[in-house]
Amino acid sequence: DTAVSQTPKYLVTQMGNDKSIKCEQNLGHDTMYWYKQDSKKFLKIMFSYNNKELIINETVPNRFSPKSPDKAHLNLHINSLELGDSAVYFCASSLFGEGRNEQFFGPGTRLTVL
Amino acid sequence: GNSVTQMEGPVTLSEEAFLTINCTYTATGYPSLFWYVQYPGEGLQLLLKATKADDKGSNKGFEATYRKETTSFHLEKGSVQVSDSAVYFCALNPGGFKTIFGAGTRLFVKA
Repeated sequence: DTAVSQTPKYLVTQMGNDKSIKCEQNLGHDTMYWYKQDSKKFLKIMFSYNNKELIINETVPNRFSPKSPDKAHLNLHINSLELGDSAVYFCASSLFGEGRNEQFFGPGTRLTVL
Repeated sequence: GNSVTQMEGPVTLSEEAFLTINCTYTATGYPSLFWYVQYPGEGLQLLLKATKADDKGSNKGFEATYRKETTSFHLEKGSVQVSDSAVYFCALNPGGFKTIFGAGTRLFVKA
């Protein structure tokens, strides 16, 4: 199946722990994103990579560190997890260019910090 | 700056009712406009898009027309079904890497 996939789907952890979320796309896209969605469904861009280069880095605590080993993968590592990090994290990808930029989203990772 | 404003929800309708979800935008130039839908427990998926003024995007009975004079991209469907219950996001892309999303409008359709 061609798609954007994320692992894990659910992540429950204690405050202060470090965790990673992985994302892979097999759509041949050149741009990947991480979004955070809060309980009111508000979607906030966190990071974006184009051809493995960081191009969007919104005001995100530096406890969050993205890594793109190649164009098809974008992982998110979170250090010292806090209660406020609880949310659903979505990975997305797109093909950059005129009239394009429609984004394909993964199924989300629901992170719960206790 | 670029921004998207969409009507607050939730919107509750009976099956077969007419749906309108309003969306207006602020942008320089000629952005591409999108509607995304998020079904419960899933990621967002593109519902329809329009890339220039007066374009009409359509899919699954939903339609939206790119109105530059009113800076609007309202979503409409003539007869909603229970399966249309979801959160709908209006979005714009001004041509760069960043897509601006609205706050989302939750739709409940009752049988």
